[in-house]
Amino acid sequence: AQTVTQSQPEMSVQEAETVTLSCTYDTSESDYYLFWYKQPPSRQMILVIRQEAYKQQNATENRFSVNFQKAAKSFSLKISDSQLGDAAMYFCAYRRAGNQFYFGTGTSLTVIP
Amino acid sequence: DTAVSQTPKYLVTQMGNDKSIKCEQNLGHDTMYWYKQDSKKFLKIMFSYNNKELIINETVPNRFSPKSPDKAHLNLHINSLELGDSAVYFCASSQDPTSGDHKETQYFGPGTRLLVL
Repeated sequence: AQTVTQSQPEMSVQEAETVTLSCTYDTSESDYYLFWYKQPPSRQMILVIRQEAYKQQNATENRFSVNFQKAAKSFSLKISDSQLGDAAMYFCAYRRAGNQFYFGTGTSLTVIP
Repeated sequence: DTAVSQTPKYLVTQMGNDKSIKCEQNLGHDTMYWYKQDSKKFLKIMFSYNNKELIINETVPNRFSPKSPDKAHLNLHINSLELGDSAVYFCASSQDPTSGDHKETQYFGPGTRLLVL
């Protein structure tokens, strides 16, 4: 069974600093997708970044980047130059071939002014 | 041009009532989902559904049932509401991946906050 583990229930970062949120997953498949979603207090689930497993290059979206280590089954999210608006719950998600998604338990990020 | 919409946004009701939450997506996706997010913010998949297959999380009580009038809609019916049903319910949609078009991404509705009194 696929599982997604986020071992950091809470993290904090000073404004303008960099923070890394960790995510590991368990799978026996070679073809899959990985995602990070952000959920601010409004509760809207917002896609932050996505990564195809067959691509070795790490995905980047402006201040957000991932460190994808396929052999280690690790998919961490790095937020650079943290802003107050980055404060939210962050969920790591795994999609296998087909339509099944698996979510981690989330990491609550606090940004300290 | 909202991609995934849900109504109502808030729902307050008495224990024992029957209620429905509607979901519509205009993305042309072939699979829709319902998730429950509890007070600890854990996201729990309840159902995934496309025109071929309904996958039910076995832990979901049979008081919950999805109804899909067409490919763009997946409504959630809840019978005999209980206090423990209070949560935020999210609808989402996705499609079988096709290289380069981001359709493997799951898009979420804004959520429906259900409070059972």
